[in-house]
Amino acid sequence: QLQLQESGPGLVKPSETLSLTCTVSGGSFTSSGYFWGWIRQPPGKGLEWIGNTYNGGNTFYNPSLRSRVTISVDTSKNQFSLNLSSVTAADTALYYCARLWRGYIFDAFDIWGQGTVVTVSS
Amino acid sequence: DIQMTQSPSSLSASVGDRVSITCRASQSIVDYLNWYQQKPGKAPRLLIYAASSLQSGVPSRFSGSGSGTDFTLTISNLQPEDFATYYCQQCYSTPPEFTFGQGTKLEIK
Repeated sequence: QLQLQESGPGLVKPSETLSLTCTVSGGSFTSSGYFWGWIRQPPGKGLEWIGNTYNGGNTFYNPSLRSRVTISVDTSKNQFSLNLSSVTAADTALYYCARLWRGYIFDAFDIWGQGTVVTVSS
Repeated sequence: DIQMTQSPSSLSASVGDRVSITCRASQSIVDYLNWYQQKPGKAPRLLIYAASSLQSGVPSRFSGSGSGTDFTLTISNLQPEDFATYYCQQCYSTPPEFTFGQGTKLEIK
């Protein structure tokens, strides 16, 4: 059964870069029809999509974050990563990695990691 | 960008009840609409995709309907494990740009 696990620092200083990694296990990382990506949830708030990638080259991002976000893939390690630059307190959130299932007429996040909390503070 | 608005924001119901949650899009999204369930401290779980298709493993008491701008998630015969927060999500935009509704918290009456 496919599983996703986030890892990375839980505390990042303002103006620095937030870096998280998601490790995929128990299944294929390169199956067609699936993208990999990130979603976050500020404390007590709803879900915000960050971006997705297929192979690192085919990526799409939330326009509100596009200037600060990079999502990359390391297929040799079955991992994909999130870099979010110039962070502020507004980037404090629970960060989820998730698989995006790209169907014929829909896209849906069908498998999620457990999430990791990132706090931006000096 | 497409905005998604859910109503109500919160809802109280009893075990065995039938409840409905509404999601409205700021423009037509055809049937490019998904529903998720999130329990406290847990990741969201995909319930319904493409407006009305039940994800594998999801109980049949969950159903989705609607098209265009107005969508509904209905839960029949509420069970204790159904008390959670529910989110809709549109996947209509090209290039892909996914937005979620603000969530509906379903609480026990």
